[in-house]
Amino acid sequence: EAGVTQFPSHSVIEKGQTVTLRCDPISGHDNLYWYRRVMGKEIKFLLHFVKESKQDESGMPNNRFLAERTGGTYSTLKVQPAELEDSGVYFCASSRDEKLFFGSGTQLSVL
Amino acid sequence: RKEVEQDPGPFNVPEGATVAFNCTYSNSASQSFFWYRQDCRKEPKLLMSVYSSGNEDGRFTAQLNRASQYISLLIRDSKLSDSATYLCVVNSAGFQKLVFGTGTRLLVSP
Repeated sequence: EAGVTQFPSHSVIEKGQTVTLRCDPISGHDNLYWYRRVMGKEIKFLLHFVKESKQDESGMPNNRFLAERTGGTYSTLKVQPAELEDSGVYFCASSRDEKLFFGSGTQLSVL
Repeated sequence: RKEVEQDPGPFNVPEGATVAFNCTYSNSASQSFFWYRQDCRKEPKLLMSVYSSGNEDGRFTAQLNRASQYISLLIRDSKLSDSATYLCVVNSAGFQKLVFGTGTRLLVSP
């Protein structure tokens, strides 16, 4: 069974640019989550999709972040415009139940 | 105050040692508890769920104390491959939202 895949694995952009991260969950997992770890801090929840609907987006930092999950399959997380403090590792996870499976993350560096 | 607190370590132990990590959580309404393991530059992976009755999986034992709001992980007969960061994770009642501690780093040496 394929795991959660994320693309790209690394992204280096300049402040003010736009970046789009993609996540392909495990097939059949209705729940999809985005988490983020910034340097030296704990992993923090960003949002949760159930199929194509946003169940909880309370962790989204501000309106520069936009997450979508068209058709309830893969998800994208767009940051526009990116700021220095957006640098970190963005993890996607999917689940059928309480057990979450994480992708290997996208390391985002905003210069 | 952080919702989930852990000692960041590192805990340096020799092979074969027994080591224990504790974690405290502040939300008394929390319902589900987990230990995740994260290797350097890798994703977190579920190590085990933590139940009120305590649970064991091979060399790993997890305990939950709801009255004191803490969770523990005991690793017996440590192996070199146990070296990793151990994340205490809590799922608040009614929410599919995991809250992570900063993790405790374990280094097992020969």
